[in-house]
Amino acid sequence: KAGVTQTPRYLIKTRGQQVTLSCSPISGHRSVSWYQQTPGQGLQFLFEYFSETQRNKGNFPGRFSGRQFSNSRSEMNVSTLELGDSALYLCASSIGTGRINEKLFFGSGTQLSVL
Amino acid sequence: AQSVSQHNHHVILSEAASLELGCNYSYGGTVNLFWYVQYPGQHLQLLLKYFSGDPLVKGIKGFEAEFIKSKFSFNLRKPSVQWSDTAEYFCAVNAVRVNTGFQKLVFGTGTRLLVSP
Repeated sequence: KAGVTQTPRYLIKTRGQQVTLSCSPISGHRSVSWYQQTPGQGLQFLFEYFSETQRNKGNFPGRFSGRQFSNSRSEMNVSTLELGDSALYLCASSIGTGRINEKLFFGSGTQLSVL
Repeated sequence: AQSVSQHNHHVILSEAASLELGCNYSYGGTVNLFWYVQYPGQHLQLLLKYFSGDPLVKGIKGFEAEFIKSKFSFNLRKPSVQWSDTAEYFCAVNAVRVNTGFQKLVFGTGTRLLVSP
């Protein structure tokens, strides 16, 4: 069974640009969550999508948005990039029951560098 | 709001030394606690978890963690580390969204462990 796939693996952008990151969950998983990982801040929750709907949201500005397609693949978009957006963006998939014992499976992440 | 504190940002140990990584959380209700590990160049993976029952939880690769409710702590331990334990370790607590009941994981800032051979 293939794991969670994130593309691209690395991205370099300049301030003011926008970027789209992609996440393909494990087959059969309907929930996709996005996290931002930075040194000193750890992992911060961005949002979660389930059945093409945003089900949960963290405390990030509106420049960060996402969507989920009918095949459960998800994209995350960041507009008007800032230097502080440089981070490793992780995607995690799960079956999607929302129960506390549901296991998350993480992808390897997309390393975004904003110059 | 739930939060997780990991006070050790960097830990350097020699092989065979004992390890204890601190994790404290802030939440007054029922908690579910996790430790995740990220080996160099690899994805984040679950090391162990606590939901209920025995507060001493055994995980993979000889790791264990003890839930101490009175101290709001969930420290990770290993009696004898190996070079292959070099990684970043994240403590996490689930945060229940009251109006929907759905949850998200709240992570600590992570502890980078370097084990020298």
